[in-house]
Formats: sequence, structure tokens, C-alpha cells
Amino acid sequence: DTGVSQDPRHKITKRGQNVTFRCDPISEHNRLYWYRQTLGQGPEFLTYFQNEAQLEKSRLLSDRFSAERPKGSFSTLEIQRTEQGDSAMYLCASSLALGGQPSSYNSPLHFGNGTRLTVT
Amino acid sequence: GESVGLHLPTLSVQEGDNSIINCAYSNSASDYFIWYKQESGKGPQFIIDIRSNMDKRQGQRVTVLLNKTVKHLSLQIAATQPGDSAVYFCAGALGTDKLIFGTGTRLQVFP
Repeated sequence: DTGVSQDPRHKITKRGQNVTFRCDPISEHNRLYWYRQTLGQGPEFLTYFQNEAQLEKSRLLSDRFSAERPKGSFSTLEIQRTEQGDSAMYLCASSLALGGQPSSYNSPLHFGNGTRLTVT
Repeated sequence: GESVGLHLPTLSVQEGDNSIINCAYSNSASDYFIWYKQESGKGPQFIIDIRSNMDKRQGQRVTVLLNKTVKHLSLQIAATQPGDSAVYFCAGALGTDKLIFGTGTRLQVFP
């Protein structure tokens, strides 16, 4: 399977605990995105990387959230001091951005199957 | 900014009929649109995309139409099958740097 891989698929944690999720993008993709999706809603953008550089963070990403992509390959999303409102599906996506081309010519985002977080 | 919305939360169609899912967007500067299919417990699956320099794009059994005058796009699915049952999202962006998603339409296919 050469798609986007996320681990774990499900995570149940108690309020106040820290959690970390991992995303492995499609290998030739240089961009990696994190989205959050709550029930009945579309995914909401959180942050994205090009290679190891974090290029944009949403205002939704409070200081309890941190994302890294240290070697420009896999990425981790950590949530510290989890709250019940953090319960959601966390989706990772990747794409290939072509240097020198308009951004609209980047490849479509391909999503993983997400990590479902439940904070009790 | 961009906001993207869908006209109907649920669409029920009979197997074999054509389905049309509609989407409106607010930012006239958006130059890229994409449709995703999401089945229960899975991530969004890419269906088809279109850039703003096009009005129509066809894939296998799917067609996306873009009307920039009224800021509207639609997804047409020909000969709808039970496997097409899912939630469909449209998303728009300036480029593909950051997609803004709508709330989704649930497509139900009945025999």
C-alpha cells in the first residue's frame, strides 16, 4: 500500500493527557497537511509542511498543538493537556508541489484514513 | 477568505439514475476546486478536480462543472451504483496550498 498511512487508527485518552499521532505520506510527496474533522463536518485545515518547513498554521492550532516533520518524510502531531473538545478525527494528507509552477498545478491532496481521538 | 457550502445535506437516488451534487463558493479568486468521497470510518478519497480556467472536466462516470459567474460547481455521477453511497465534499482553494471544505452531502443509493 503506497497511500498515506496514519497511526494509531484510534486513540482514547483521559483529559489532561498528552497524545501523539504519526503520519507517513506518499513517499514522493513533498507536502504534508494536517486536518481535523468533527462529526458531520468537513475537514478543517490545521497546518502544512513543505519538506521539513512548516509553512502555515491555522488559528485553530492552539499552543497545545505542535506538529513536526523533522526529516521531511513522516510527521507527528502532538496534543498536550488534551481537552474533551479535542475529540475529533485527525486527518493527514500529502501532495507533490512542483517547483517553478503555479500552486494550482500541484497534485491533489491524498488523505489517510485518519486517527480518531476520543478524550474522556 | 473562502467559504464553501453545499445545497442539500442528503441526496437519495435510485440505482442506475444520475446524481448531481451541488456546491457554492464565496471567493471569486479561488482558482482550484476538488471533490472528495468519504465513506464511514475512512479518509476523504479524491474523485476529480478542476482549475478555474476550465468549465468542465470528465472522469470515469463523473463530471465536474464549474460556473464562475455564479460561483457554483457540481458533481455529476452517471449510472449511480450502491458503492457510490458516501458523503461527498467539495473544497476550494487559491492553488492547492490550503483546501477549504464544505459540510458535505450524503448520497444514498437505493435499489
